[in-house]
Amino acid sequence: IAGITQAPTSQILAAGRRMTLRCTQDMRHNAMYWYRQDLGLGLRLIHYSNTAGTTGKGEVPDGYSVSRANTDDFPLTLASAVPSQTSVYFCASSDSTGGAREQFFGPGTRLTVL
Amino acid sequence: GQNIDQPTEMTATEGAIVQINCTYQTSGFNGLFWYQQHAGEAPTFLSYNVLDGLEEKGRFSSFLSRSKGYSYLLLKELQMKDSASYLCAVEDSNYQLIWGAGTKLIIKP
Repeated sequence: IAGITQAPTSQILAAGRRMTLRCTQDMRHNAMYWYRQDLGLGLRLIHYSNTAGTTGKGEVPDGYSVSRANTDDFPLTLASAVPSQTSVYFCASSDSTGGAREQFFGPGTRLTVL
Repeated sequence: GQNIDQPTEMTATEGAIVQINCTYQTSGFNGLFWYQQHAGEAPTFLSYNVLDGLEEKGRFSSFLSRSKGYSYLLLKELQMKDSASYLCAVEDSNYQLIWGAGTKLIIKP
C-alpha cells in the first residue's frame, strides 16, 4: 500500500441498506477525514478524527457514523442509505502536527443509492 | 457564515497565463490551500499560504492577502494537462478545511 486506499471503487445500493466504505492509510498520519463531493458544491466534511480513538462531526454528519480503532483505518458507515447520499466519497489524511497540514486524498468511492 | 467564492469556469489558451481568484470569509484563518482535481480523480495539493505575499513553485504561483480575504492561483505557460478543476480551501480556527466549489479550467489549443 502506498498512500490512501478506499474500497469499493463504486457501488450501487438499494435505499434502506447498510453500507461501510473502507479507508486505509500507510503514512502514519494522525488525522483522517471523510468528505462527500457533489456537483456544483465544494467538498463537505462528514466526520473527522484527529487521532486514533477519537472522532468528531463535520458539516454534514447526519446518516453517517465512523470509528477509529487504530491509526491506519477509518471506515464510514451508512446505517440506512437514502438517495440523497448518492455522491462521491473521499477519505483523506494529514499529519496535523506539521505547519502546512496538507491533506492527502484517496481515489474516492462513487456511491449510488436507488 | 463561512464562505469561499471562486469562479465556476474559466477558459484559457495553451501557452498563456491564467489567474484564478478566491475570496473567503471564515471564522478564523490558519492558512489557505490550493488543490488540483482532474475529472474523475482525487484532489492533489498544489500550494499553501499562511503569510501575505506570493509563493512560487515552478509554473504555479499562489498569492495571499489576509486583510482582503483574497487569494489567487497563477498558472503560467499553460499546458493541455492543466485542464482540471482548481479548489481553494481555507483552514479555519478549528483547523478544519472549508472548501470552495472549485473552478473548472478549460485549456484550448
